[in-house]
Order: sequence, then C-alpha cells, then structure tokens
Amino acid sequence: EVQLLESGGGLVQPGGSLRLSCAASGFTFSSCGMSWVRQAPGKGLEWVSAISGSGGSTYYADSVKGRFTISRDNSKITLYLQMNSLKADDTAVYYCAKGVRSSSWYEADYWGQGTLVTVSS
Amino acid sequence: NFMLTQPHSVSESPGKTVIISCTRSSGSIASNYVQWYQQRPGSAPTTVIYEDNQRPSGVPHRFSGSIDSSSNSASLTISGLKTEDEADYYCQSYDSTNWVFGGGTKLTVL
Repeated sequence: EVQLLESGGGLVQPGGSLRLSCAASGFTFSSCGMSWVRQAPGKGLEWVSAISGSGGSTYYADSVKGRFTISRDNSKITLYLQMNSLKADDTAVYYCAKGVRSSSWYEADYWGQGTLVTVSS
Repeated sequence: NFMLTQPHSVSESPGKTVIISCTRSSGSIASNYVQWYQQRPGSAPTTVIYEDNQRPSGVPHRFSGSIDSSSNSASLTISGLKTEDEADYYCQSYDSTNWVFGGGTKLTVL
C-alpha cells in the first residue's frame, strides 16, 4: 500500500524558514517523480514544485522560485521542501504527491494527508 | 501559460450520471495529459483519473476520463452517482515547466 506521510509544518514568522519532509513507503521511491502541492485556507489547489525520480531535474512555480528548494534522499525514501523567506501568502496545507514513473513530474497518482504551514507574526 | 476552466458547481441525483468539463484556453488539450483529483470536505485530494483516462488501483469503474479535441476540453464522467461522490473535483494538466490546475467543481449529490 502506498503511503506518504508529511511532517515539519507549523507556525513560523514572516521571513523565517521551515523544512517539510515526506516519508514514503509501499512503492519503489527512486522510480517515481514527486511533487509538492499546497492549498491555502478555503482556496483551490496550487502546485509548488516537482522533482524527477533521480533528483536530477527540478521544477518550481514562479511564486516560490528562488525561495523554496525541493530535494529527495532515495536512500532514506524521503522527499523534502526547504522553504525560506516565508510570506503570509505561503500559509497553506502542503501535500506531497507521487508521480506514476520516474519522469512524470507532471502528475500525481497518490497523495499524502498534508501538513499545515502558518506564516504569521 | 494556459488556463483550465471548470464549472463552479454541478448537482445531480443519486444513481444518475454527471459530466464535469475542463476547457483548455490555449494549446491543444491532447498535447499534455489531464488528471482529475477528488477532494472530499476536510480531506486530502485523491486521484481518480490520470493520463487522460487511467484509473489508479481502487478507483471504481464508475469514474472515467476522456478528452475532446473539437472542444479542446477534458471530461470526467461519474456514473451511478453515490452520496459519497459529493466532493470538489479538480482537473490538472501541465506545460514544459508548470502544473496547471482548474479552479475546481463542487459536485453536490442530492
């Protein structure tokens, strides 16, 4: 059974940093692209970032480019999102999502339960 | 970048069939796969269709996806509606460097 478990969310002040983790199980992690998608309170889904199975290719939404960094440790079967220079607009539930294959950074077939990030003073 | 436009809401009775559309503003709908995600109130999204018409394991055959080049749109069809299908549904596609989501459609089963 595919499982994705996010952690690392919490309350942070504007300008602060946070690192999210997504622990994966139930599939061959290194064979799947992975993504982060967020949802602000009461709003729709917004894609944040994606990474190929090998980690060699990364992609970012314009809204986070230069502030967020996606990475993965295939030996630890974990996906990360380093978030710096956080703004109030980054307040959202952050979901990690699994791609179908190594190159499929552009889709998701399974999702985690999400972790809440609140940026506020 | 292109946009994906969905109806804000649809409603139908249990046992009936509903079709949710997703229209691409520019570029061909067939040039990039379309996914459909279901989000029940208070829950994380789940995938009901990926790569235009593929169902993940465990998704009932009542859910099907298609694309129509003539209208440049994708559709999610849910047949034999159940009250548990009441949720928000999002279509999603991509270009060379970004995912693009539709605004979401609230399905009411009454």
